[in-house]
Amino acid sequence: EIVLTQSPGTLSLSPGERVTLSCRASQSVTNNYLAWHQQRPGHPPRLLIYGASGRATGIPDRFSGSGSGTDFTLTISRLEPEDFAVYFCQQYGSTPRTFGQGTKVEI
Amino acid sequence: QVQLVESGGGLVKPGGSLRLSCAASGFTFSDYYMSWIRQAPGKGLEWLSYISSDSSTILYTDSVKGRFTVSRDNDRNSLYLQMNSLRAEDTAVYYCARESRDRRTDYWGQGILVTVSS
Repeated sequence: EIVLTQSPGTLSLSPGERVTLSCRASQSVTNNYLAWHQQRPGHPPRLLIYGASGRATGIPDRFSGSGSGTDFTLTISRLEPEDFAVYFCQQYGSTPRTFGQGTKVEI
Repeated sequence: QVQLVESGGGLVKPGGSLRLSCAASGFTFSDYYMSWIRQAPGKGLEWLSYISSDSSTILYTDSVKGRFTVSRDNDRNSLYLQMNSLRAEDTAVYYCARESRDRRTDYWGQGILVTVSS
């Protein structure tokens, strides 16, 4: 099983700031099949990034993903009020699918 | 647009059973793998299972293997999760989700709460 470790656990930021979230895998993610999901309070997750760097349908271009192998990054170039949420990485290159524990981005 | 709507959750006693359903619309259900994912209160996400488009391949995570059974009815555009021998640690919001052709989880349902308590 691939273990995904996200850091930091919590980030306290202000609107307009740039943020970088990290996701490290315990072994190489097959085909860089690494996704990022956003979860706002009381809502289901929604897909932001797939294949490490592909932006999902309807996702603003302030969200970008990068990385390969075992180290991946989600960057939000300029935080909007609606971006304050929890972000999860997920690998879907092997089973069981696994998620990181999440990074909370708070004001 | 893609919609996934779960139903069948609620309160059940330890050792009991529950069957969740997920009604899909807005896409050709029979073309897609589907999965179940859960989230315990205040916790992270745990992938439980996926089922291939024709039900020929089904995989489970170890924590539910032998207790949970996934199935689908492509004629009814529905996905199911039969949960037996439920434990307190199965208390969670359960999400059904679609897997796209490259197997990413691209759409999530709203989720349904299952509470296991005496």
